[in-house]
Amino acid sequence: QSALTQPPSASGSPGQSVTISCTGTSSDVGGYYNYVSWYQQHPGKAPKLMIYEVTKRPSGVPDRFSGSKSGNTASLTVSGLQAEDEGDYYCGSYAGSNNVFGTGTKVTVL
Amino acid sequence: EVQLVESGGGLVQPGGSLKLSCAASGFTFSGSGMHWVRQASGKGLEWVGRIRNKANNYATAYAASVRGRFTISRDDSKNTAHLQMNSLKTEDTAVYYCTRSILGDAFDIWGQGTMVTVSS
Repeated sequence: QSALTQPPSASGSPGQSVTISCTGTSSDVGGYYNYVSWYQQHPGKAPKLMIYEVTKRPSGVPDRFSGSKSGNTASLTVSGLQAEDEGDYYCGSYAGSNNVFGTGTKVTVL
Repeated sequence: EVQLVESGGGLVQPGGSLKLSCAASGFTFSGSGMHWVRQASGKGLEWVGRIRNKANNYATAYAASVRGRFTISRDDSKNTAHLQMNSLKTEDTAVYYCTRSILGDAFDIWGQGTMVTVSS
């Protein structure tokens, strides 16, 4: 199972929006189940769940974070960027009998 | 408080074994699927494996990179999951996290991680 493909970096100024892509295959991201999730990770910390089942936000996650999917590519959009949004972002997907993560994207708030 | 606490990490020689534990509290552990995820220094997240709950026959699955060497188990009476790692390789060096899966196999609760170093 190969890692899902994400751009290495993305950036935006405070208040702007940034969108991160996550490309897989019909066996994972584009599969029958809409089981794509997104995680934020700050240095030295454990990942934090931001989006699950492609579009759903856990309680406590700001509505500035949104997810979508088209075919084999999922996307995470962060609107109204804030300084605390800076960090690493990973997508994840169910892939049949196992799971797989994306390669990770470093988001910088300029 | 909902939390997962890993323990058991350390330094081990190549070819050696190590057993990690993950103690859960604050939620219904017996009804939860549990996964292990690792992260090498400066690298991305890598899914290691999982164990489903009793209703799903405690089914396990593993990444190809660890299959046949690592075994995940659980003790619902002690709210604890384990990762037995055998035939360790230098490339297994990483921080190991345990995490709970929810709807859509998303991971909503994470431990603080435990460091495993495989080196001679």
